[in-house]
Amino acid sequence: SYVLTQPPSVSVAPGQTARITCGGNNIGSKSVHWYQQKPGQAPVLVVYDDSDRPSGIPERFSGSNSGNTATLTISRVEAGDEADYYCQVWDSSSDHPGVFGGGTKLTVL
Amino acid sequence: EVQLVQSGAEVKKPGESLKISCKGSGYSFTSYWIGWVRQMPGKGLEWMGIIYPGDSDTRYSPSFQGQVTISADKSISTAYLQWSSLKASDTAMYYCARLSSGYSYGFWGQGTLVTVSS
Repeated sequence: SYVLTQPPSVSVAPGQTARITCGGNNIGSKSVHWYQQKPGQAPVLVVYDDSDRPSGIPERFSGSNSGNTATLTISRVEAGDEADYYCQVWDSSSDHPGVFGGGTKLTVL
Repeated sequence: EVQLVQSGAEVKKPGESLKISCKGSGYSFTSYWIGWVRQMPGKGLEWMGIIYPGDSDTRYSPSFQGQVTISADKSISTAYLQWSSLKASDTAMYYCARLSSGYSYGFWGQGTLVTVSS
């Protein structure tokens, strides 16, 4: 099945830019979605189809996808952005089409 | 407003059966796939499977095929996840979520905590 690889952790100071990567074979040919999960809460979709934002998600959240790496970028990071972030793709050719990355813990210093 | 409301926390013994639910509202329940996602304590998200309530077409992750059953009752806009014989390793938070654009999970239930312990 398709494998998505994320760094376990990323740290950033408030006001700086955080970049969380999601690696996969030719991931640029797939639609990538990103979720934010805060402790004790259900995940929330923050970016879908590589770079679109659902209603209510701040413009500070953006995404890109090319080659073998997709990236979630969080600009002007705030303390409230501290959370786990997961990437996800749909691999229709697989017997396990719904795939999540292992997750990245974003720490705001 | 789209809402997915899940049934409450469960505490079960190994070998017992269980069926948890996810009730959708605020949209056409039969027109969108609903998926189930497992999160074991302190771990990441795992895709279990999905169902299309319109015709009950169901797909399972190989990791969960034969271990759980996903179903839906469109007359009451409710999807289900069930076990016939629970194991301690089934202890986890289970989320239902509605698929949206590009097979993203745009809407999530609040989660159902299942604890299996003797």
